[in-house]
Amino acid sequence: GAVVSQHPSWVICKSGTSVKIECRSLDFQATTMFWYRQFPKQSLMLMATSNEGSKATYEQGVEKDKFLINHASLTLSTLTVTSAHPEDSSFYICSASPRAGGPREQYFGPGTRLTVT
Amino acid sequence: GQQLNQSPQSMFIQEGEDVSMNCTSSSIFNTWLWYKQEPGEGPVLLIALYKAGELTSNGRLTAQFGITRKDSFLNISASIPSDVGIYFCAGLDSGGGADGLTFGKGTHLIIQP
Repeated sequence: GAVVSQHPSWVICKSGTSVKIECRSLDFQATTMFWYRQFPKQSLMLMATSNEGSKATYEQGVEKDKFLINHASLTLSTLTVTSAHPEDSSFYICSASPRAGGPREQYFGPGTRLTVT
Repeated sequence: GQQLNQSPQSMFIQEGEDVSMNCTSSSIFNTWLWYKQEPGEGPVLLIALYKAGELTSNGRLTAQFGITRKDSFLNISASIPSDVGIYFCAGLDSGGGADGLTFGKGTHLIIQP
């Protein structure tokens, strides 16, 4: 149980284009999902919290107009990188928690490798 | 924001040896989680800790939630080649709210045959 998938697993796009990444919880519902970014040989950094039915909450320094988040249902969140630039190239990972409340663990998707040329 | 200090940064050990790594924080966490990440993949949850002083095992892995709630350690006994990877600690400071995790910088475990 507690499986999270991401699509695509990797994508290459040209500078200036937009890319959408999907995150799905396959066997549970998640009112909240999280988006992280990981640069090579570094740790995961939280970008934003995706809330079903409401606006996402972004961490300080993350541009909300550049990284559009839509939590369309209890099992799907999408991250759209708009007008991508080479510095946006990174490993993007989502997570979700299967518990409705109380202390809870988070399960991660397999990640999406974005390369902007 | 909060920061986690994870050590050591890397470990070079022989197969069969025991491994110990830890994380400390300048502030209190209510939940500590330990993950393992392999290249090109997302982190996989190993152990979750919810109470100060809690000691939890998962096979050859044992982790403890420090009494002060500002630290945690992970031990791996009798290491095997498939233990190779990067281990991350992560803290959650809310009891049940929708907050993202704060990650340590990782411990890169390398096992020499």
